[in-house]
Amino acid sequence: KNQVEQSPQSLIILEGKNCTLQCNYTVSPFSNLRWYKQDTGRGPVSLTIMTFSENTKSNGRYTATLDADTKQSSLHITASQLSDSASYICVVRMNTGFQKLVFGTGTRLLVSP
Amino acid sequence: NAGVTQTPKFQVLKTGQSMTLQCAQDMNHNSMYWYRQDPGMGLRLIYYSASEGTTDKGEVPNGYNVSRLNKREFSLRLESAAPSQTSVYFCASSPRTSGSFYTGELFFGEGSRLTVL
Repeated sequence: KNQVEQSPQSLIILEGKNCTLQCNYTVSPFSNLRWYKQDTGRGPVSLTIMTFSENTKSNGRYTATLDADTKQSSLHITASQLSDSASYICVVRMNTGFQKLVFGTGTRLLVSP
Repeated sequence: NAGVTQTPKFQVLKTGQSMTLQCAQDMNHNSMYWYRQDPGMGLRLIYYSASEGTTDKGEVPNGYNVSRLNKREFSLRLESAAPSQTSVYFCASSPRTSGSFYTGELFFGEGSRLTVL
């Protein structure tokens, strides 16, 4: 079954600290993996995309990794800010004719002052 | 830069009532989608429209209907609302649904929170 599992479900960290969110998937055939950030009461917004050949990609304080062999991805947030408080959703796209997306349930991050 | 606009943002219905959620995008995208988001579950696809003039069922289409009014607008209708349809509904759009140069990014609206009593 095609699934995306994220951990932890929720996380509280102090402002300025780093954290890492995990995404494990069993989706096949794999096309790419995308991380979205969803602020409370808003729609998800894409942070970064990882393709099969990419291991690491940075977007400011966000760094995503992908291990296609173990089917794992992580999102590392450096020097967290209050504005990082949000849900982070991992989405895997299947390599099929139609855009089949498999969504994780998200990790809810709270950055505390 | 409005992007994807959904209306209404909040709605309370009684069981059996009907309503339509409206969605419009100004990015000249070909494809549009309706998702629902429930606590503890990933976003689930209700219906999508790959291009103007076409609509197809997603994972959870029962109890819903859609209309692709034109390239910009895609509406979701609940004919007889049920408490199980209490959810946050997101409209999204993308340039297309497939192809080598399309990476699968979706552009979401801000959501419509629906409560069915």
